[in-house]
Amino acid sequence: GAVVSQHPSRVICKSGTSVKIECRSLDFQATTMFWYRQFPKQSLMLMATSNEGSKATYEQGVEKDKFLINHASLTLSTLTVTSAHPEDSSFYICSARVDLNTEAFFGQGTRLTVV
Amino acid sequence: AQSVTQLDSQVPVFEEAPVELRCNYSSSVSVYLFWYVQYPNQGLQLLLKYLSGSTLVKGINGFEAEFNKSQTSFHLRKPSVHISDTAEYFCAASSSEDYKLSFGAGTTVTVRA
Repeated sequence: GAVVSQHPSRVICKSGTSVKIECRSLDFQATTMFWYRQFPKQSLMLMATSNEGSKATYEQGVEKDKFLINHASLTLSTLTVTSAHPEDSSFYICSARVDLNTEAFFGQGTRLTVV
Repeated sequence: AQSVTQLDSQVPVFEEAPVELRCNYSSSVSVYLFWYVQYPNQGLQLLLKYLSGSTLVKGINGFEAEFNKSQTSFHLRKPSVHISDTAEYFCAASSSEDYKLSFGAGTTVTVRA
């Protein structure tokens, strides 16, 4: 199946700094990618839909200035957590679908800890 | 958008016993259904999917699921579980016209010797 690579897998940052997470589709082109946030023992919460060459579409309640998404190419989307605070600590996962008739492929996830 | 309900939040099961994880979806329009497994601190791995065709779907690691349109269900089963099946399981759905997936709340399966 298709491969989605997410980096880094773990990151620890100081409160007030920004962190960038990368999501790459390795063997297919993804015009649309998705960013999720997952709290412990909970399901995935869709944060935003990343669209290549255009602005991301954010879900209700997600701060677009806090979570910056850039989808500059057909194989790379980035999520930047700006001015991170301890409450931003979470597991972030990206995914992409090759087309509507296939499943979503997920990155390995990024464990963000803000201290 | 689809709504997905996983009826069991936790399922403890003994090794080599069968397991069934229940999933119901909301929409009556054409729907695609998926089961994913997640191990700690990892992304999601596809177990199986229903897009069309046979309502009995076989997946990896001995799992299977049955699409039941009249009951809007897509329950996951395995006849004999292993310790290594201990994980979080998510049911997901999308319409045939939307890239977005809707996830259930997840079911934690704990397999004991």
